[in-house]
Amino acid sequence: NAGVTQTPKFRILKIGQSMTLQCTQDMNHNYMYWYRQDPGMGLKLIYYSVGAGITDKGEVPNGYNVSRSTTEDFPLRLELAAPSQTSVYFCASSYRQEGGYGYTFGSGTRLTVV
Amino acid sequence: GQNIDQPTEMTATEGAIVQINCTYQTSGFNGLFWYQQHAGEAPTFLSYNVLDGLEEKGRFSSFLSRSKGYSYLLLKELQMKDSASYLCAVRDGDYKLSFGAGTTVTVRA
Repeated sequence: NAGVTQTPKFRILKIGQSMTLQCTQDMNHNYMYWYRQDPGMGLKLIYYSVGAGITDKGEVPNGYNVSRSTTEDFPLRLELAAPSQTSVYFCASSYRQEGGYGYTFGSGTRLTVV
Repeated sequence: GQNIDQPTEMTATEGAIVQINCTYQTSGFNGLFWYQQHAGEAPTFLSYNVLDGLEEKGRFSSFLSRSKGYSYLLLKELQMKDSASYLCAVRDGDYKLSFGAGTTVTVRA
């Protein structure tokens, strides 16, 4: 059981380039999320999805796009990368567990835009 | 929107007790979570409170007062491996988590 898998783990982009951060979960979770974490800060929600074909904006969606064609996959697309998008990106999925809804995080993608 | 506040840093001695406070002002509330995050790693789930009161899980306990918009995480019998960032997070009715900036706890020998 792999949980939430993110690729790549590290990436350096030049300003104006584009890339897709991949996220896959094998737990059949309906809910999936993308967060970014800047140094010394908490996580900020970029986009989220409550099921295949349904996505919605979070707190900081500008400069990003997502799609959810299957339950398992929730890729995050960066168009025209900017230095302000240098951050660590975490994908997460959620399920129902006794006492609450548990969230499982991927190991993160460290992105640097130069 | 959500406003979640917690102290930036705390230092304690191995074997001691540390209490991390979290206050929140939210447009909706559907549970409060505490996560532990070691440097360079993903957050891992510690505790969840949705009703007022204390939840105890081994060396970690979490308390919630919904009327006061207040929670704390209590770490007992501190160990060196407890040195990490502790994140307070509030869930709204749409299953979205909003996080505080995190409290870095340093455990000294």
